[in-house]
Amino acid sequence: SQKIEQNSEALNIQEGKTATLTCNYTNYSPAYLQWYRQDPGRGPVFLLLIRENEKEKRKERLKVTFDTTLKQSLFHITASQPADSATYLCALERDDKIIFGKGTRLHILP
Amino acid sequence: DVKVTQSSRYLVKRTGEKVFLECVQDMDHENMFWYRQDPGLGLRLIYFSYDVKMKEKGDIPEGYSVSREKKERFSLILESASTNQTSMYLCASKTPGQNYGYTFGSGTRLTVV
Repeated sequence: SQKIEQNSEALNIQEGKTATLTCNYTNYSPAYLQWYRQDPGRGPVFLLLIRENEKEKRKERLKVTFDTTLKQSLFHITASQPADSATYLCALERDDKIIFGKGTRLHILP
Repeated sequence: DVKVTQSSRYLVKRTGEKVFLECVQDMDHENMFWYRQDPGLGLRLIYFSYDVKMKEKGDIPEGYSVSREKKERFSLILESASTNQTSMYLCASKTPGQNYGYTFGSGTRLTVV
């Protein structure tokens, strides 16, 4: 069955450093891979989408890579700030069907 | 910006009550979705709709139904609320085929007592 794996343990990163989150998947060939941010008690907020034929995408301090051979995406936040602390979800989509990972909690320590 | 509005942030209902959760989006999206989110289980799809009066079961439809009488509104109905339906409920919408993400509402935290 289709499976998305994100590190279930929280990630603690010192302010100013680069935070890197990992999303691995099996038994799926997504057309798009998406990343969302979710704050406690709120709905997820869309951040970035990368297509299967793209290797990398950037938006301000965010960078996403997508390796369809390894079946992995990396999500980087450079110059991290305490305000970046949240849970980050990856999601795989094909043919308007999407599956979400359970998310990784990120703590940026001042 | 697309906005998805869920009618209530917090709800407390009694076991056996019929519960309506309302969701409205303002950008003419065809596709709308209802998820529930529980700790350790992530987002689970309950129902979705690709058009007015159309509905499809998601992964966990038991105990729920939906209504889509107008394009902008997608309602989730708990026919007879039970304590195991205590959860965060999230509505989302999207235009099909476009390569941008889903827009979620702020969520409804439902507690069934």
